[in-house]
Amino acid sequence: EAGVAQSPRYKIIEKRQSVAFWCNPISGHATLYWYQQILGQGPKLLIQFQNNGVVDDSQLPKDRFSAERLKGVDSTLKIQPAKLEDSAVYLCASSLAGRGQLNGYTFGSGTRLTVV
Amino acid sequence: KNQVEQSPQSLIILEGKNCTLQCNYTVSPFSNLRWYKQDTGRGPVSLTIMTFSENTKSNGRYTATLDADTKQSSLHITASQLSDSASYICVVSPSGAGSYQLTFGKGTKLSVIP
Repeated sequence: EAGVAQSPRYKIIEKRQSVAFWCNPISGHATLYWYQQILGQGPKLLIQFQNNGVVDDSQLPKDRFSAERLKGVDSTLKIQPAKLEDSAVYLCASSLAGRGQLNGYTFGSGTRLTVV
Repeated sequence: KNQVEQSPQSLIILEGKNCTLQCNYTVSPFSNLRWYKQDTGRGPVSLTIMTFSENTKSNGRYTATLDADTKQSSLHITASQLSDSASYICVVSPSGAGSYQLTFGKGTKLSVIP
């Protein structure tokens, strides 16, 4: 089966600019997650969608980050305006059910963002 | 607070040698523990998933163990290969209402050298 697709693979922007990332989950996976992984650390959940509804966005910096999954399939994550500390790899993952379940839970290859 | 601690932070071994990575967690109540391999610049790939009742699980040259009483897990890599160079991340999931709150370790960076 096709994996979780993310684009772009790399992005370099100046601080205060805006940027958007795209994710297409595995077909049939109702749950989609965005993670932020800073170098040397484990992934941190930003937002979890169940179909097109938000399940958990408690760690999303809502003053600058936004995400949507309008049709319950692919999703975009936006940062506006970007800060230097936003430099990280942004991972998208999808699963058939919730994160605690043993059902397939698959990560995309990520987008590496560098803010200069 | 749920935490996952991994050790060592980094490890260098010679090709062909074995190694063991450690994971200690405080997540409770416990549901399952996963080990992921993350190549540089790539997303994590699942190696093993273990529930409370499982003590060991293998995936090729990777063998994970779990001691739910002491809340410890290990990942043993046998006859290491250059392609094993990666970060290995331990992830723990609680059961019950908070089952969606995965806790990630910071990973162990393994370098296999010729």
